Amino acid sequence: DSGVTQTPKHLITATGQRVTLRCSPRSGDLSVYWYQQSLDQGLQFLIQYYNGEERAKGNILERFSAQQFPDLHSELNLSSLELGDSALYFCASSVQQAESPLHFGNGTRLTVT
Amino acid sequence: QQPVQSPQAVILREGEDAVINCSSSKALYSVHWYRQKHGEAPVFLMILLKGGEQMRHEKISASFNEKKQQSSLYLTASQLSYSGTYFCGTGNQFYFGTGTSLTVIP
Repeated sequence: DSGVTQTPKHLITATGQRVTLRCSPRSGDLSVYWYQQSLDQGLQFLIQYYNGEERAKGNILERFSAQQFPDLHSELNLSSLELGDSALYFCASSVQQAESPLHFGNGTRLTVT
Repeated sequence: QQPVQSPQAVILREGEDAVINCSSSKALYSVHWYRQKHGEAPVFLMILLKGGEQMRHEKISASFNEKKQQSSLYLTASQLSYSGTYFCGTGNQFYFGTGTSLTVIP
C-alpha cells in the first residue's frame, strides 16, 4: 500500500460530460503529480502541484484542470470528455518537488462511451 | 523529451539476466526506475543521481552515465516476481520512457 488514495476506482461516462478525479497524497507528502496512461502506453505527465501551488505543466489539455487544496488533496477535472480521454489516470505524491521517489495511487480508470 | 527505452520487450527464463537501457536527448541530472505489474500502479525501485553511486534493489542494480545521458537497469538471476513493465523517469519525473515489458517464465 503506497499510502496514496485515489477515488473513484472506475468511472464510466458519456462524451461531453465532466468528471472529477480525487487524490489524497501520502501523509507528509507535499507534492502531487497527475499522469495519464492509455492502453498499453507509457505514463504521460499532466501536471504537478507542490504545497498548493502549480509547479509544472505537461501535456495537459485545456479541457482538463487541476488544483491542490490546503489539506493537500488534489482533484483533476476533465470536461467535454471525448472517447480518446479513456485511460487510467494516476496520481502520485512525493515529499519534495524533485529527486524524491514517487508513490503512486492505484489509479482511476475512466471509460468514455 | 521522453526518454527512449530498449528493448521494448524481453522474455527470460528464471535465473537469466537482463539489461534495460534508458537514453535521453537532454542532459540528465537524475534517473528514476519504476516497475509496474499488470493492472497495478508503478512502484519505485531506485533513483540514480548525478555523481552518485550505483544503486541496488534486491538483485536489481542500475548505473547512470551522465556523459552519455544514459541509464541501465541490470536484473540478475531473474525471478518470476520480476515480471512487469519497467519505466525510467527523468527530468524531475515529468518524463517517463515508453517502458520495457519483462516476462520471466519458469
